[in-house]
Amino acid sequence: QKEVEQNSGPLSVPEGAIASLNCTYSDRGSQSFFWYRQYSGKSPELIMSIYSNGDKEDGRFTAQLNKASQYVSLLIRDSQPSDSATYLCAVNRDDKIIFGKGTRLHILP
Amino acid sequence: DADVTQTPRNRITKTGKRIMLECSQTKGHDRMYWYRQDPGLGLRLIYYSFDVKDINKGEISDGYSVSRQAQAKFSLSLESAIPNQTALYFCATSGQVNTGELFFGEGSRLTVL
Repeated sequence: QKEVEQNSGPLSVPEGAIASLNCTYSDRGSQSFFWYRQYSGKSPELIMSIYSNGDKEDGRFTAQLNKASQYVSLLIRDSQPSDSATYLCAVNRDDKIIFGKGTRLHILP
Repeated sequence: DADVTQTPRNRITKTGKRIMLECSQTKGHDRMYWYRQDPGLGLRLIYYSFDVKDINKGEISDGYSVSRQAQAKFSLSLESAIPNQTALYFCATSGQVNTGELFFGEGSRLTVL
């Protein structure tokens, strides 16, 4: 089992709708969780981090963490065409950042 | 100028050749990482270094070696390149233990024929 699992997509969402991206991880000892966004041909950039169970909101983005289920999600409200990108889930294990394969998100105008 | 600089940005080489990818940073970070990205496979960790005297293998270190010449410089070498090492390589730095924020270079695209 890969340490961080994501559905590769593509996930197509109409403009203005909520995009929901999901991730599971295998190491119960993981304490820190992250979402990176990567535009085509660009480097990844950190958009959200979450460390405790529950929700964390930042503008249109909400990260959700459920450690019991080993599940992390990212919600993007009022999706915009500029949100079209690959979203990478990552966990911090012993100060190494381990990434999932990423989910391609396509916002339909 | 970019905070994390990778050279070369693009390289085409032949099987069996030795290749070095270089990374330098001006962020003053101690932690540096090399990742490889293949279509559909996300980012996979090759090697990482927490300071000049510390080098650690990542998920896929076979066929690669690294050198941490200084706090600001971290080089990745392919001693004898093979076609399945064709990929996009990213260098990244991190300054704090648990923030998880990696600062990436622009990537080095390597093609091995």
